[in-house]
Amino acid sequence: DTAVSQTPKYLVTQMGNDKSIKCEQNLGHDTMYWYKQDSKKFLKIMFSYNNKELIINETVPNRFSPKSPDKAHLNLHINSLELGDSAVYFCASSQGEVYEQYFGPGTRLTVT
Amino acid sequence: AQSVTQLGSHVSVSEGALVLLRCNYSSSVPPYLFWYVQYPNQGLQLLLKYTSAATLVKGINGFEAEFKKSETSFHLTKPSAHMSDAAEYFCAVSERGGGNKLTFGTGTQLKVEL
Repeated sequence: DTAVSQTPKYLVTQMGNDKSIKCEQNLGHDTMYWYKQDSKKFLKIMFSYNNKELIINETVPNRFSPKSPDKAHLNLHINSLELGDSAVYFCASSQGEVYEQYFGPGTRLTVT
Repeated sequence: AQSVTQLGSHVSVSEGALVLLRCNYSSSVPPYLFWYVQYPNQGLQLLLKYTSAATLVKGINGFEAEFKKSETSFHLTKPSAHMSDAAEYFCAVSERGGGNKLTFGTGTQLKVEL
């Protein structure tokens, strides 16, 4: 009964490819997020969705496109992958603004 | 814009010793503050949070943190370190009315030695 799950856990691909990462939460939360953790472990928010509506978009290249088919899912599609996209991507969810965010286990993306 | 500074990217303590991880924030309004822990190859787990109730916040695994507005600090402490506490610790701030956007510090790697 994992709260926030991501697939795949590892993703190795070549430059120029298009890939997707899926995220699902079974907590009934109304807000979901994508974060990027770089090789120095620095975490930065990329997007957030509230009830399927985009509310935060942090100057991420438009090669990154989040899609929220419903409140429980937030997928991340990346076009034309570049070496600099290599990182760990975390999905998270929360209920409202005050409450804490619950993080998924992460997806380690390696672009070769 | 809000920001978080974690002093000391690496902290080493002996087992049984006091753990003190420092966090200072900068925010235009009183923020919400969080400490998260990340074990190797895992996601982030919430240790504790401050959302304007009591300034001394108790969390899981014996950790606690005190919000000090005058010092803009939210340091994390644990009286007695255990080997299992070895991990990366992140302080994060969320500005009220900011859409719950978490801004993280750069993290502190805690090492616990015998």
